[in-house]
Amino acid sequence: RKEVEQDPGPFNVPEGATVAFNCTYSNSASQSFFWYRQDCRKEPKLLMSVYSSGNEDGRFTAQLNRASQYISLLIRDSKLSDSATYLCVVNMRNYGGATNKLIFGTGTLLAVQP
Amino acid sequence: GAGVSQSPSNKVTEKGKDVELRCDPISGHTALYWYRQSLGQGLEFLIYFQGNSAPDKSGLPSDRFSAERTGGSVSTLTIQRTQQEDSAVYLCASSLMGRSSYNEQFFGPGTRLTVL
Repeated sequence: RKEVEQDPGPFNVPEGATVAFNCTYSNSASQSFFWYRQDCRKEPKLLMSVYSSGNEDGRFTAQLNRASQYISLLIRDSKLSDSATYLCVVNMRNYGGATNKLIFGTGTLLAVQP
Repeated sequence: GAGVSQSPSNKVTEKGKDVELRCDPISGHTALYWYRQSLGQGLEFLIYFQGNSAPDKSGLPSDRFSAERTGGSVSTLTIQRTQQEDSAVYLCASSLMGRSSYNEQFFGPGTRLTVL
């Protein structure tokens, strides 16, 4: 079983739609949680961190449920420019400094159609 | 400011040859990471440096893979006797390193390695 699992998609949605991505992680020792965005043939870039209290950044809302080991991302009013692969990411960090690695899901492809 | 840079951007090599991939982190970032991204596998962690030492090498897939970092800056990932399954995009990232909180990892553009 992969450490971070997410639906690969693709999600094809019209402009203006609301779309939700879900992700589960298996390691309860995971420290921090993120959504990264990766455009075709580009490097991944941090979209937003994810907190148990939920957090919002404009049209994007992220939520973490530690008990269920579940992470979500909601995109409202989709734009053509939102088309990309969205990567669910957990950070395995050891406070002694022994590691600080990121574990990535395989990504969910979003295609926003005009 | 300058981001993480990697060279070469593309590398084509023959099976059995050795390759070296280079990463220049963001100035002042003490932590450096190597990942690789191959079709169907997603992004996988390879190795983590704090300064010049590598406390986590758990992601290196075999002893053909090694990495070093000198002067707390530039890092080189070496793959010996390359195999076709080594074909992937090799991504380097760097970050500040706070022991009590997460610091964002910034990724370079990657080196696309093709082993024929």
